[in-house]
Amino acid sequence: NAGVTQTPKFQVLKTGQSMTLQCAQDMNHNSMYWYRQDPGMGLRLIYYSASEGTTDKGEVPNGYNVSRLNKREFSLRLESAAPSQTSVYFCASSEAQDRLYGYTFGSGTRLTVV
Amino acid sequence: TQLLEQSPQFLSIQEGENLTVYCNSSSVFSSLQWYRQEPGEGPVLLVTVVTGGEVKKLKRLTFQFGDARKDSSLHITAAQPGDTGLYLCALRRRGGSEKLVFGKGTKLTVNP
Repeated sequence: NAGVTQTPKFQVLKTGQSMTLQCAQDMNHNSMYWYRQDPGMGLRLIYYSASEGTTDKGEVPNGYNVSRLNKREFSLRLESAAPSQTSVYFCASSEAQDRLYGYTFGSGTRLTVV
Repeated sequence: TQLLEQSPQFLSIQEGENLTVYCNSSSVFSSLQWYRQEPGEGPVLLVTVVTGGEVKKLKRLTFQFGDARKDSSLHITAAQPGDTGLYLCALRRRGGSEKLVFGKGTKLTVNP
């Protein structure tokens, strides 16, 4: 089925470790996004990429980096994980420039930093 | 100040009851979307509304966009356990980019 694929689904890290969350979409969308979801805080935008080759900071970018590897793939990297980064991370994609078009989300990565 | 307020935050009802959840902002939207998120999954788009006063129906779900394009409501008729989930509204600001701003959601539980 077409959609957004995220890996891994679950991850436990020790404080200070690094890891990369992978995201790929097969809908030929231009725009891709990384959100984190925490209880009582809703979905908060970390980084986004309006098109291949561009990335921009969102609401909560500190402690993260991203790479738009090609049109399909958008990865999120934690260089030195902290307990405050324990969260559920969602990748999404959309067709830019179309306000009628919604986001397609992956099923998330549940990250715990101990 | 939260750009987008959703209420109530939590709602627990019995199967067969009706309910309404609300989404409000002090800003004018260019468009608003409603999503439903089930446990362990990402949000899934239900509907997009763009015209003030617009009403859209999706089976037992009725979505309304306020005349001034600052608020929206979702009404569910005869709720079923399968309606359980987190309902999120998201807006694009007028003149803004395509990035969506999400509310914190209403967590709905429908008990059999």
